Amino acid sequence: GENVEQHPSTLSVQEGDSAVIKCTYSDSASNYFPWYKQELGKRPQLIIDIRSNVGEKKDQRIAVTLNKTAKHFSLHITETQPEDSAVYFCAASSGGSNYKLTFGKGTLLTVNP
Amino acid sequence: SQTIHQWPATLVQPVGSPLSLECTVEGTSNPNLYWYRQAAGRGLQLLFYSVGIGQISSEVPQNLSASRPQDRQFILSSKKLLLSDSGFYLCAWSGDGGQFFGPGTRLTVL
Repeated sequence: GENVEQHPSTLSVQEGDSAVIKCTYSDSASNYFPWYKQELGKRPQLIIDIRSNVGEKKDQRIAVTLNKTAKHFSLHITETQPEDSAVYFCAASSGGSNYKLTFGKGTLLTVNP
Repeated sequence: SQTIHQWPATLVQPVGSPLSLECTVEGTSNPNLYWYRQAAGRGLQLLFYSVGIGQISSEVPQNLSASRPQDRQFILSSKKLLLSDSGFYLCAWSGDGGQFFGPGTRLTVL
């Protein structure tokens, strides 16, 4: 089955700096890669996703890149703010967006004011 | 727009007692539905998923079960809870736009 590795497990940055979280996946058939943000005690929220026919996608301060050859994808947050502090999860699916996901173990991002 | 509900929000149960958690989705038809468990400070573990009424796939063998009696209703059950069943239980639905989580049930087994 699919295996998703996520690094780092914790990340601390100063406000205004950039943050990068990386994930690798094992199943070459994976074709959908979402990212979730989970604040303490809340549900995970879908913040951005990318499909295998696209190499990069941006939404304001967040972007995701995908390298299918290397089987890794990354989340980039620019101009970080304290409210970006949360746990971020990457995931992968081999059946598109309407199929079960395999999640990474999460990255605790702390943005220091 | 689509909305997903879960109840109860919090639950404290003694070891050996039964469990029933309910999830309903509004605003979509024939969604794929999922149950996840998240232990404190840990990742998301997929427990069950369903592609239709009465169709349940189990991802992890354990003392939990799931049922889907109606198109937009998903139930997680146990006959006898264990201490290790404590955690944050999340229901989710998926469609072409992605997978979306309900507000969750925080279960404490004492």
